[in-house]
Formats: sequence, structure tokens, C-alpha cells
Amino acid sequence: ETGVTQSPTHLIKTRGQQVTLRCSSQSGHNTVSWYQQALGQGPQFIFQYYREEENGRGNFPPRFSGLQFPNYSSELNVNALELDDSALYLCASSLAAQGTPETQYFGPGTRLLVL
Amino acid sequence: DQQVKQNSPSLSVQEGRISILNCDYTNSMFDYFLWYKKYPAEGPTFLISISSIKDKNEDGRFTVFLNKSAKHLSLHIVPSQPGDSAVYFCAASRDYNNNDMRFGAGTRLTVKP
Repeated sequence: ETGVTQSPTHLIKTRGQQVTLRCSSQSGHNTVSWYQQALGQGPQFIFQYYREEENGRGNFPPRFSGLQFPNYSSELNVNALELDDSALYLCASSLAAQGTPETQYFGPGTRLLVL
Repeated sequence: DQQVKQNSPSLSVQEGRISILNCDYTNSMFDYFLWYKKYPAEGPTFLISISSIKDKNEDGRFTVFLNKSAKHLSLHIVPSQPGDSAVYFCAASRDYNNNDMRFGAGTRLTVKP
């Protein structure tokens, strides 16, 4: 039990649609990172938010965007869905001041299927 | 670009024996290495880490070894227990703020009773 929750657990969308995935971080955690895990692969870093500002981005196009809110929740938005966007999406929260990567706590993920 | 590679998708060992999971990386800028364990329907959970200034870190049954010159690290679990059966991910980071952490594809460990 990491204290990080994600919703929904599963989602089916069609190509071209938009989707919003939600994450509720551990209380007090001011940093959230989002990852995409395709089938048979490890998680790939999408971006990180620190105190409601984007603080680093992986190799993902602008149609992947995010928001972080003061209440420790965050969103991942994906526009113009493509079939390759089908994956498990993980969020991970941490308290940046603690300074070590092992303090990152993952949620259980949202499995997105794009048809 | 796969900067972190786990070349063995699966490993099966007998209970009580040693499990050795391997990981290779290509980016010499990585400064911090971690192993995560993942059970089905759960997110990865942190297991053990090592910084680039060390070559070994031990925590109970788990030991991580780092060979910087070979850009290789390994996770040893001894003795292995059936509850260790899970997918293990190797990850590397260039800084302590988890920014752009890179993961390997994972190794599924099965420990047989």
C-alpha cells in the first residue's frame, strides 16, 4: 500500500479520442511523475511535475500533457489517441526535498486500450 | 533508445537457492541505480538502490552489485523464497529527483517451492 491511487483502473477508447487519467499522490508529496508501460516493456518516463509546474519531460509528443493540483492530485491528458498509446500508465509521487529516487511511490496504474 | 537493458525476460530458481538478475546500461551519466519489484495489478515498489560511488549495497537477503567500468549491475537474492516471485525492474537516474528515470524491460522471477 503506497498511498498513491489512480483512476480509472481500466479504460477503452477509440483512435482520435481524448483521455484524462487521474492520480492522487501521497499527502504532502509535491512531485509527481507519469510513466507509460507498454506490454513487455519497462515504464517510460513521460514527464514530471513539481509544485504544479512541468519539471522535465521524456520523449513524448505535446499531445501528452499534464496538470498538478495543490491538493496532491494530478492528471495526464492524451489527445488524438493512437493505437500505440495502448499501455499501462503509472504515476509516482515523491517529496523532492527528500532527495533520493527511492522515495518515489507508484500507483497501481491505469490500463488504457485504444481501438 | 534503450539505455537500460535487462536481457533475460525470465528466470526460474528453486526455493533456497540464489537468484541473480542482471542489468546493463549505456549512459555513463547515470548516477543512481535502483531495483523495483512488481506484483500483478500493483505498481512497482522500491527494493534496493546503489549510487555510483559504491560497488555494493546490501539489505537483508538482497544485494546489489555495480560494475561501473562494465556498465553492469546485478541483484542477488539469497536465499530465494516463493514470495520473491515477481517482475524485477532495473532503473537508472541521472539525479536524485527522479527526473527522467530509465527502466529496463524487466525480468520475471519465479521461485519454485
